Amino acid sequence: SQQGEEDPQALSIQEGENATMNCSYKTSINNLQWYRQNSGRGLVHLILIRSNEREKHSGRLRVTLDTSKKSSSLLITASRAADTASYFCATVTSGTYKYIFGTGTRLKVLA
Amino acid sequence: EAGVAQSPRYKIIEKRQSVAFWCNPISGHATLYWYQQILGQGPKLLIQFQNNGVVDDSQLPKDRFSAERLKGVDSTLKIQPAKLEDSAVYLCASSSTTGQYNEQFFGPGTRLTVL
Repeated sequence: SQQGEEDPQALSIQEGENATMNCSYKTSINNLQWYRQNSGRGLVHLILIRSNEREKHSGRLRVTLDTSKKSSSLLITASRAADTASYFCATVTSGTYKYIFGTGTRLKVLA
Repeated sequence: EAGVAQSPRYKIIEKRQSVAFWCNPISGHATLYWYQQILGQGPKLLIQFQNNGVVDDSQLPKDRFSAERLKGVDSTLKIQPAKLEDSAVYLCASSSTTGQYNEQFFGPGTRLTVL
């Protein structure tokens, strides 16, 4: 399969806790993006990190990228019930700019 | 700004029947994508258009799937004949260009059930 791998596959935490999910990929990338999917709003873009960046922040989101290990992590701080969703990483391959989505992490935030 | 529109939202068909999905991207977006998302998996790219030309269709099962984007705006994806394993959500997305640092905007998807 071309898809990247994400872990954990599922994560359940209490409101207010932090959630960390990881993405590993196989190809050389131009950038990596994280998307959220829930039944209400479909797939929504969260954040993009370029291959020459190591860390990026957006609100309660923090993304890191380690191109030598071909891996990325997404940290959601002070989680809320509304963060309950599936989270996918998507790599954009160098040269072809092809999007490859990972298998996703299902996050459940308990109120 | 209106989002990506898709129809129908749900479709149930018998195997060997044909089905078509429609997508209207965000106005002005040159790049349009069709994805297949099987339950419990991430989206898999089927075909990518830049205006009305195909950029990538390497994962499109061309013996049964076809797609077109006439006039470089809306697009249709067709399956003929459908198989049981085609049951999935079909997502359409668009982005402003095929450039490096673009985010994709997704439609609500069409959930297809093949019986």
